[in-house]
Amino acid sequence: AQSVTQPDIHITVSEGASLELRCNYSYGATPYLFWYVQSPGQGLQLLLKYFSGDTLVQGIKGFEAEFKRSQSSFNLRKPSVHWSDAAEYFCAVATSNFGNEKLTFGTGTRLTIIP
Amino acid sequence: DTAVSQTPKYLVTQMGNDKSIKCEQNLGHDTMYWYKQDSKKFLKIMFSYNNKELIINETVPNRFSPKSPDKAHLNLHINSLELGDSAVYFCASSRGGQETQYFGPGTRLLVL
Repeated sequence: AQSVTQPDIHITVSEGASLELRCNYSYGATPYLFWYVQSPGQGLQLLLKYFSGDTLVQGIKGFEAEFKRSQSSFNLRKPSVHWSDAAEYFCAVATSNFGNEKLTFGTGTRLTIIP
Repeated sequence: DTAVSQTPKYLVTQMGNDKSIKCEQNLGHDTMYWYKQDSKKFLKIMFSYNNKELIINETVPNRFSPKSPDKAHLNLHINSLELGDSAVYFCASSRGGQETQYFGPGTRLLVL
């Protein structure tokens, strides 16, 4: 069965520092991968997605992610974080099983930004 | 012009009551979903519908009954609410397959 692991429950970084959030997936077929962000009390907003092609994908708000098939990873990066980036980040894999498509989410990484 | 909307945003109710949450999407998508986010922020799919037909039912108690009157709407009715039903419920929609899912703002349900 498919699964997504986000090994870091909580990360704290200083404003202006670089950021990397880890995501590992387990899925037998070609994965469709997503990063979503959830600000406090809000819904989920899509940051970026990988379907095929270039393994480095650019998203909104200056985020990027790199798909590494050999490592089953899809890590999210940002070169310089802003205080407004404080939120919960979810990695997800879209799986398809005879039409039963669904998103399987990781447990999320809470990002705290310190001045 | 909200893409995926849910009502109500907050719902506080007593155990044993019956309540409904409504979801509407104006994206022209064929597939809609309900997800539950628990107190630890874990998100798990509950149901998906494609063109008003139930596709996924992830071992959700039968107290939960989704209804899709048309492909732009997917409502969630919950009977005999229990304390453990307290959570945030998210509606989402997509073009189907493994395409991007767009989420509503969530409905925060608190059962007392």
